[in-house]
Amino acid sequence: SQQGEEDPQALSIQEGENATMNCSYKTSINNLQWYRQNSGRGLVHLILIRSNEREKHSGRLRVTLDTSKKSSSLLITASRAADTASYFCATDGMDTGRRALTFGSGTRLQVQP
Amino acid sequence: DTGVSQDPRHKITKRGQNVTFRCDPISEHNRLYWYRQTLGQGPEFLTYFQNEAQLEKSRLLSDRFSAERPKGSFSTLEIQRTEQGDSAMYLCASSARTGPVTYTFGSGTRLTVV
Repeated sequence: SQQGEEDPQALSIQEGENATMNCSYKTSINNLQWYRQNSGRGLVHLILIRSNEREKHSGRLRVTLDTSKKSSSLLITASRAADTASYFCATDGMDTGRRALTFGSGTRLQVQP
Repeated sequence: DTGVSQDPRHKITKRGQNVTFRCDPISEHNRLYWYRQTLGQGPEFLTYFQNEAQLEKSRLLSDRFSAERPKGSFSTLEIQRTEQGDSAMYLCASSARTGPVTYTFGSGTRLTVV
């Protein structure tokens, strides 16, 4: 089963605009991560935010985490055509006993040049 | 070391045939994971190895699926008596032995069962 659910499922924006994707999850976590996947390829780790952090930045990425609402958001600023990909959140399920990450269903981002 | 390698990249097989996929993780990583991904969905967990020990298996891993990691290095995933529903991308990931679990993924093996 998928722990996280991303919203929206698909997003189309113009180059230079900001893109915001949201993730909701169900169980307590130690950390939440975001991954990116180009079509037909494996996923690439983008950023990790710990459960005691509220916001984290990495280059043009900004991640927020609200553990009370069990939700996270990923903001990509000044988007580029090369940002076109699917983005997934992943959680470690602290109280599920699972030692592997559980992924959401993803947001497909299209950045129009 | 250039990352996680998976072989083959693509596999087309007839229903009922057996297939085997291989994953070579990053050499320093002792944790190895297999996931399955269907179109438009996120990766679904199949199984997890720490060194050579298979520590967790998903209910998705029916008795037609078997995974091994001899000597704690490369891993193989075998599907016996393939069905059309097995068509998917099979992803392998590895993770370092310390710190929070973050994955390095391979490029995946795309399986098509006809």
